Amino acid sequence: AQRVTQPEKLLSVFKGAPVELKCNYSYSGSPELFWYVQYSRQRLQLLLRHISRESIKGFTADLNKGETSFHLKKPFAQEEDSAMYYCALSVSNAGNMLTFGGGTRLMVKP
Amino acid sequence: IAGITQAPTSQILAAGRRMTLRCTQDMRHNAMYWYRQDLGLGLRLIHYSNTAGTTGKGEVPDGYSVSRANTDDFPLTLASAVPSQTSVYFCASSLDPSYNEQFFGPGTRLTVL
Repeated sequence: AQRVTQPEKLLSVFKGAPVELKCNYSYSGSPELFWYVQYSRQRLQLLLRHISRESIKGFTADLNKGETSFHLKKPFAQEEDSAMYYCALSVSNAGNMLTFGGGTRLMVKP
Repeated sequence: IAGITQAPTSQILAAGRRMTLRCTQDMRHNAMYWYRQDLGLGLRLIHYSNTAGTTGKGEVPDGYSVSRANTDDFPLTLASAVPSQTSVYFCASSLDPSYNEQFFGPGTRLTVL
């Protein structure tokens, strides 16, 4: 079965510092990877997906099949980036249902 | 109604009681999902429905049941609540099962004593 691992439960950085939220997955085929974000008192929402290869709110994520990773990066963190971030994986043979990692809370200090 | 809604917002429940969590969406999405969110474990899929009239089991279905009588509603029932079902429950929907962006409700915080 597929699995998603986010090794850091909490990541604390200062404003303006680079940030990298780690995500590793286990799946032998070709999965689709996503990052979802939950800001304080807001709903969980899609941040970005690997197939779009886009940058959202300054965040990017590259799928590395060799390392089975999909780390989320931003060169200069902002206070409004403070939130809970979830990496998720979808595989076609599981009906495209999402498997989520345990989440990483990002705190950006002023 | 705009988007996806859940009720109640929160509930404290005695063990052994029956409870139904409600979920309604007005986006005409075919697929709907129920997750539970627990600290350190992320979101785990309980049950899902790819279209009205069909349901399926997710990763942690035991102790829960669902029904999908129409497109808009996807209630989750705990037949006899136990303390381990204390969690935050999220309902989500997507346009169809092959479209991966899921839209989430605000959540229901359930405490079973």
